[in-house]
Amino acid sequence: EVQLVESGGGLVQPGGSLRLSCTASGFTFSGYNMNWVRQAPGKGLEWVSYISSSSSTIYYTDSVKGRFTISRDNAKNSLFLQMNSLRAEDTAVYYCAGVVGFRYFDRWGRGTLVTVSS
Amino acid sequence: EIVLTQSPGTLSLSPGERATLSCRASQSVSSSYLAWYQQKPGQAPRLLIYDASSRATGIPDRFSGSGSGTDFTLTISRLEPEDFAVYYCQQYDTSPRTFGQGTKVEIK
Repeated sequence: EVQLVESGGGLVQPGGSLRLSCTASGFTFSGYNMNWVRQAPGKGLEWVSYISSSSSTIYYTDSVKGRFTISRDNAKNSLFLQMNSLRAEDTAVYYCAGVVGFRYFDRWGRGTLVTVSS
Repeated sequence: EIVLTQSPGTLSLSPGERATLSCRASQSVSSSYLAWYQQKPGQAPRLLIYDASSRATGIPDRFSGSGSGTDFTLTISRLEPEDFAVYYCQQYDTSPRTFGQGTKVEIK
């Protein structure tokens, strides 16, 4: 069974940092391109960042460039998102999602909530 | 950036009825690079349709997608109780990948 399990969310003050993790099982993680997608409370979905299977290609949405860093450890079947200089507008549930090519998202975790507030 | 506008915002229907959801793009989506997702409260999204009309693995055939260019449609032929949820479209023609704002299908 394909599983993606996120962790690391929580309450952080504006300007603070958090590191999210996603652990994969049930499929060949090292061969899969991965993403972070977020959803603000009561809002729609927003793609945040992409990393190719070999980490050779990385993309970010404009609003997080220079503040967030995506990475992965294929030996540990893990995906990460280092989030620095957090803002109130970063408050959201963050989903780890696998993508076919860089097209549609065909596997998702259950998400981890990040709340940025003083 | 391609903006996707979904309509209606909310669709109130009864089980057994047909649901027609629309997704309109601000510019043409090449090669029908459009997907549809279903999301239930407290759950992650689930892929339903990709490439505008191809059903994902395990998706019942009451779900169908159509369209091209700037206008796309998700049709649920006969609503089952488990189909009441929020539906999102997503384009993967250009970066950044973008989603519509969602259509909620609720029980009438």
